[in-house]
Order: sequence, then C-alpha cells, then structure tokens
Amino acid sequence: DGGITQSPKYLFRKEGQNVTLSCEQNLNHDAMYWYRQDPGQGLRLIYYSQIVNDFQKGDIAEGYSVSREKKESFPLTVTSAQKNPTAFYLCATSPVAGLTYEQYFGPGTRLTVT
Amino acid sequence: AQTVTQSQPEMSVQEAETVTLSCTYDTSESDYYLFWYKQPPSRQMILVIRQEAYKQQNATENRFSVNFQKAAKSFSLKISDSQLGDAAMYFCASSGANDMRFGAGTRLTVKP
Repeated sequence: DGGITQSPKYLFRKEGQNVTLSCEQNLNHDAMYWYRQDPGQGLRLIYYSQIVNDFQKGDIAEGYSVSREKKESFPLTVTSAQKNPTAFYLCATSPVAGLTYEQYFGPGTRLTVT
Repeated sequence: AQTVTQSQPEMSVQEAETVTLSCTYDTSESDYYLFWYKQPPSRQMILVIRQEAYKQQNATENRFSVNFQKAAKSFSLKISDSQLGDAAMYFCASSGANDMRFGAGTRLTVKP
C-alpha cells in the first residue's frame, strides 16, 4: 500500500513545548516538502529536501526545524520559538528533485497549541 | 519570486453546468509549471491538472480543462458537467526551479 503517511491526524500541545510531526513515504520519491495552511490562505512552504542529509528553508522556516536522515522520512519539529504554531501541516513528495514537478500530498496533521 | 492570485474566494455552480475558476500569476522564471489542486473537506490535496508553460496547447483531464494565456499570465480552470463531488477548495499553484507558490484558494459549491 504505497503512499504518504502523516501521524497523528490531530495533535495538541501546551505552549512552550516542542513537537515533532511525522511524515513517511514509501513511494521512493527523492524530494519531500513541508507546508503550513492557515484559514483563508494557501499553502506556504516551510522546508524542503531534495536529497538525504540536505534540506533548504522555504518562506516561513523560522521556528521550525527538519531532518532527512532517511529517504523515506522527513520529520518536522515545531519549536517553542514559533510564535503562532496552531495550523494544518501538510507533507508532500515529488518523484524527482526540483519544484517544477507535481507534488503528492499526505493527509495532513492538525496541530493545536494552547 | 513568484506570486499567484485567485480573485474569487467563493464560486457556486449548478450541478451539470460549467464553471470557470480564475488564476493569475507572476514569475521571473523562464521555465515553469502551473497546477490546479483540489482540496475536499477531507483536506487531502489532489492534483487536478498540470500545464507546462512551454506548451501552447491547453491541458485537459476529462471534465477539467485550462485556458492558459501566457502573455497575460492567466491560468483559469474550467469544470464541465459539474458534479456534487467537485465541491471543494481549489488552489492554483506555480512552480519554477527553486520556488513553488499557491494562491489563497477558491471555495466551489455545487448546487443540486
């Protein structure tokens, strides 16, 4: 059963705590991406990785961190430095590196910080 | 950097009718691609259609087609024979070598 898995679907945290969102894929895609979606807005790119052990900042990387130790996994950590972390987070993959290719999306994680 | 603008926050269409969603973009890239994604209430993003900017022919996928006007930087989506399952948020996106941008989305309602 190929696809992109994001867990959990809903996540609740207290303010001041770091939290890590999981993204796993078994599509053998090279590139992986993290987006944030807020109400009334489109997706905004947080980080992306085109190859293992390498990643690049997107438009809104402040307060977030990532790692890419395996091709299949691209976890996102929302740190306490992120001022407004409550949002819907989407992970995506692309078969080859380069943002020109269409992206395939996971089901998303809704993070609520209180 | 690229920008993508969807000027219609909400649209509605009668079942079986045709609706067109608008999108304009701005880019300095010489090679880029344009996409329409659908996000139903489940929030799963689904690729609807893709257009390579170097191709003059408009892309089509069954009931979905685009009107790509490169000089005007316009990329509208036409949905023919609308179905209840087409109700969703629709996002226009533009990607280049190092950047991918999404519009704010258009919420499409389909009336039975």
